[in-house]
Amino acid sequence: ETGVTQTPRHLVMGMTNKKSLKCEQHLGHNAMYWYKQSAKKPLELMFVYSLEERVENNSVPSRFSPECPNSSHLFLHLHTLQPEDSALYLCASSQDTGYFTDTQYFGPGTRLTVL
Amino acid sequence: AQTVTQSQPEMSVQEAETVTLSCTYDTSESDYYLFWYKQPPSRQMILVIRQEAYKQQNATENRFSVNFQKAAKSFSLKISDSQLGDAAMYFCAYRSSAITSGTYKYIFGTGTRLKVLA
Repeated sequence: ETGVTQTPRHLVMGMTNKKSLKCEQHLGHNAMYWYKQSAKKPLELMFVYSLEERVENNSVPSRFSPECPNSSHLFLHLHTLQPEDSALYLCASSQDTGYFTDTQYFGPGTRLTVL
Repeated sequence: AQTVTQSQPEMSVQEAETVTLSCTYDTSESDYYLFWYKQPPSRQMILVIRQEAYKQQNATENRFSVNFQKAAKSFSLKISDSQLGDAAMYFCAYRSSAITSGTYKYIFGTGTRLKVLA
């Protein structure tokens, strides 16, 4: 379970704060993902990066800004969030984004609370 | 747009018994892939089993097997000889063909919480 790590594990922030979530994968994968997991809602894919290039942005508000400096690290920069953004944010990685190589390996998540 | 529906928010099974979790999906694509993921309490989500839509044979992984009905757009998960460690949230997921659609889509259902009773 140490293949994908996320920090911090818990974060409480005000609506005017700026914070960042960090994800690191130690699996030698080329693709990384951000998901949002809200109670009683489907897991939502937010961003997909393949070889540090953004592949997909599923209409995520601009107050969420991803950054992928290299294939091992993925950040989610947060600013001016709303209370409804409170959720568990999951990072995942996969070998690539092709079908046979995109099995998702998930991190433990960051529990975000926006006050 | 593709959707994934898990109509059972919660299910219970007696240890050593068999349980089936339901999943239906909607798509106009003919080529796609389906998955079941498991998220144990306070632990990381992991892949349980995967199925290619072009394969008629149902996938099997040890005690886990699927019943894939393409025409009915149904993809249920059967857990045999249930164990206490099977207690978790189970998510059904759909993945479109990124190459043909030009858009990467990985769509999850809302999950089914499975309780295993000793």
